[in-house]
Amino acid sequence: DQQVKQNSPSLSVQEGRISILNCDYTNSMFDYFLWYKKYPAEGPTFLISISSIKDKNEDGRFTVFLNKSAKHLSLHIVPSQPGDSAVYFCAARGYNTNAGKSTFGDGTTLTVKP
Amino acid sequence: DGGITQSPKYLFRKEGQNVTLSCEQNLNHDAMYWYRQDPGQGLRLIYYSQIVNDFQKGDIAEGYSVSREKKESFPLTVTSAQKNPTAFYLCASSTREWTPFRSNEKLFFGSGTQLSVL
Repeated sequence: DQQVKQNSPSLSVQEGRISILNCDYTNSMFDYFLWYKKYPAEGPTFLISISSIKDKNEDGRFTVFLNKSAKHLSLHIVPSQPGDSAVYFCAARGYNTNAGKSTFGDGTTLTVKP
Repeated sequence: DGGITQSPKYLFRKEGQNVTLSCEQNLNHDAMYWYRQDPGQGLRLIYYSQIVNDFQKGDIAEGYSVSREKKESFPLTVTSAQKNPTAFYLCASSTREWTPFRSNEKLFFGSGTQLSVL
């Protein structure tokens, strides 16, 4: 059973508009969530994270929202830029789990059209 | 520049052949990891090592082997027992597991190796 799900394999938005990427999880022991961004033929890079004690974390154009009761998080990118076109992975782990044993979703491919 | 270097970028394996993927890091991280990514799927953990001369199986270790003789290096061997080796392989590192402020811990990835079967 997949514990971290990104139900939208792909998303296409116009440059300058908002991109919203969603992630759902089932394991109530998860309390730290991260988003990684991946370009083709490259390794993922860390983008933004959020702890379960918060419901929002913002870093420039990127904001992550966490709804613990719904076991749902979302990544908002405003405004979207063509360089944001990449695969975005949601990852989750418990408090005492090391970073490498996070559970990853399957990714959402974002395409930002000029 | 600190980072993780994976080589080669592309690798081809013949039937019955073992191949070794290299991963080197100069971030002074204790923990290192190997993942496999198949098209349209997330990352799956193959092996990980938290300290030199120690490593643990991940979720999909069958058909793979690793060694950790130096802190900087964590090579992965894809053995002939791995019947479906075609995938994108990623190496990553992070700070040591037992840090008191775990919430800041994140992964640093190499650029990956694409392994294909001839």
